[in-house]
Formats: sequence, C-alpha cells, structure tokens
Amino acid sequence: DVKVTQSSRYLVKRTGEKVFLECVQDMDHENMFWYRQDPGLGLRLIYFSYDVKMKEKGDIPEGYSVSREKKERFSLILESASTNQTSMYLCASSSDRVWSPLHFGNGTRLTVT
Amino acid sequence: GQQVMQIPQYQHVQEGEDFTTYCNSSTTLSNIQWYKQRPGGHPVFLIQLVKSGEVKKQKRLTFQFGEAKKNSSLHITATQTTDVGTYFCVGGAAGNKLTFGGGTRVLVKP
Repeated sequence: DVKVTQSSRYLVKRTGEKVFLECVQDMDHENMFWYRQDPGLGLRLIYFSYDVKMKEKGDIPEGYSVSREKKERFSLILESASTNQTSMYLCASSSDRVWSPLHFGNGTRLTVT
Repeated sequence: GQQVMQIPQYQHVQEGEDFTTYCNSSTTLSNIQWYKQRPGGHPVFLIQLVKSGEVKKQKRLTFQFGEAKKNSSLHITATQTTDVGTYFCVGGAAGNKLTFGGGTRVLVKP
C-alpha cells in the first residue's frame, strides 16, 4: 500500500519565517504534488513535479517554491511566511501511468501568526 | 482555464435516505475521478470513469459519467453515518492536468 508521509501534522510559524514542509513517498512514484486546502475553496494545486529536479507551477504558486532532489522526496518552501498562508497543506503522489490516482499524505496544518 | 463545479456544496441527509451530488466541467474531460475525505482526514481515491456514459457501482455508491464527458454524478443509496465526509470530483484533461471540484460536504442526521 502506498504511503505518503508528511513530516509534521501541525506547525506554527511566525510571519517572515522560512518554512519547510517535507513529503516522502515509498512507492517509487514519478509524480508528486503540493495542494493547499481552505474552507470553501477546495483543493488548489501549488506546485507539482513529474521527475527528479523537475518542477512545474500549479494554479497558485506565488509565495512558494519547491525542491525535488530525490525521487521520493518533495519539499514545499515558504520563503517568507505570511498570515494568508495559514492553511492545510496536502502532499500527493501518483505513478507515471496517465490519470493514475492520487495518494495523499495526512496533511500539515500550518498556522502563521 | 478548466473549471470543475460541484453542487451542492453541503448535503444534509437523513440516515437511510438517498442523495446525489453533481459535478460539472467547463470543458470536455478525458476522465473523472472521485475521492472521499473523512472529517480530519485526507482525500482517498474511490473510482475513476473514462468512457462516455460509463456507470460504475461500489456497494451503495453509483458513479456516472455523462455522455458528453462534461459532467458526472455520485448517487448514494440508504445513507449511513459512515458516509459522512466531503466528496470531491476531479476532472482529468489534456496534458494530464487534474482539476478538483469544490467538494460536497455530506452531513448525516441519525
């Protein structure tokens, strides 16, 4: 069974801090994704990656960056956290097969004060 | 860009009743996926529909993909408290792009 692990379940950071959200998957999936989930807005795609060292902007990339140095790990970086980045962050992975289902991690609830 | 709308946003259901949630895309889809997210949990894949007019069943859940491949529905019969959660449809389009609907949050009255 696919396991997608996010490093923290809850995180509290101050405005202006640099924040790293880590995600690791154990199924050798090529594709990895970062979403944020906010009430009334559903899931919105921040960044995704189809291969190591490759990244693509999603629908709301502003204020975020990502890193994928190894196939199993996809990191989301908030260079300077702001209060409007308070949200639930969900990492997902999928295989390279077209339209392969997404497998999500448990999420990180980030609060920026 | 592609938009996927889900209605209703909230569904209050009496235990034992049936209900349907609908998903509509602004563009023709290659496929549609459905996910369920329990309260406090993460989205979990339920099913994928690919063919025009396709109907698939999982126990009390019936999923349908429209003939024009621009809409889909999820029908749940004899709702149970275990059905509580948010159901998302996800439209797949060209370029392997997936777009989430806003979700239907299902609340069951015992």
